[in-house]
Amino acid sequence: EPEVTQTPSHQVTQMGQEVILRCVPISNHLYFYWYRQILGQKVEFLVSFYNNEISEKSEIFDDQFSVERPDGSNFTLKIRSTKLEDSAMYFCASSGAPAGRAEAFFGQGTRLTVV
Amino acid sequence: QQQVKQSPQSLIVQKGGISIINCAYENTAFDYFPWYQQFPGKGPALLIAIRPDVSEKKEGRFTISFNKSAKQFSLHIMDSQPGDSATYFCAARSTGTYKYIFGTGTRLKVLA
Repeated sequence: EPEVTQTPSHQVTQMGQEVILRCVPISNHLYFYWYRQILGQKVEFLVSFYNNEISEKSEIFDDQFSVERPDGSNFTLKIRSTKLEDSAMYFCASSGAPAGRAEAFFGQGTRLTVV
Repeated sequence: QQQVKQSPQSLIVQKGGISIINCAYENTAFDYFPWYQQFPGKGPALLIAIRPDVSEKKEGRFTISFNKSAKQFSLHIMDSQPGDSATYFCAARSTGTYKYIFGTGTRLKVLA
């Protein structure tokens, strides 16, 4: 069964450092998403990406964040100058059509710990 | 108005019982309502979804009941099994957007 894969599974970083979270979406999917889940809280939308550009972003997704599809298979989330409150589980998702018209498949997540 | 309110926060059910999780929303532009199941250390996985033109959808032991006038929808798990023990999230998507708004989650434990 096709799946979304994320690396690393756990990332520990010093406050102020930059981190890049990596995702390999399902191969024929065109829509890509990042969500995050602070421990014990709900899953929150960060950004959606289609046709090599951001299609929608939340108020959480400020200038500290950026996304990129550097090649045909990877989708990355970069967090510049990390803060303690960025500690969360980050989920990548992909879908073959816009959310709501096709199922969004989620990866297993990257746990980011900022110390 | 973009919120989806979910209850209860946690639920304990005996094996074979019915698990019921409720969600409510305010935004009438929501047009797609999925339920996700999440096991520890895993990402959310789509369980079942419904659109507001349907009042009920059933897939195996899982049923969504949808009340458009009350802006409420619920997940019913019939014959609950220990393997159903997980966190369940309701979600909603607004017309013309790409994002899901998730509820706060319900941690279900089914006792053997």
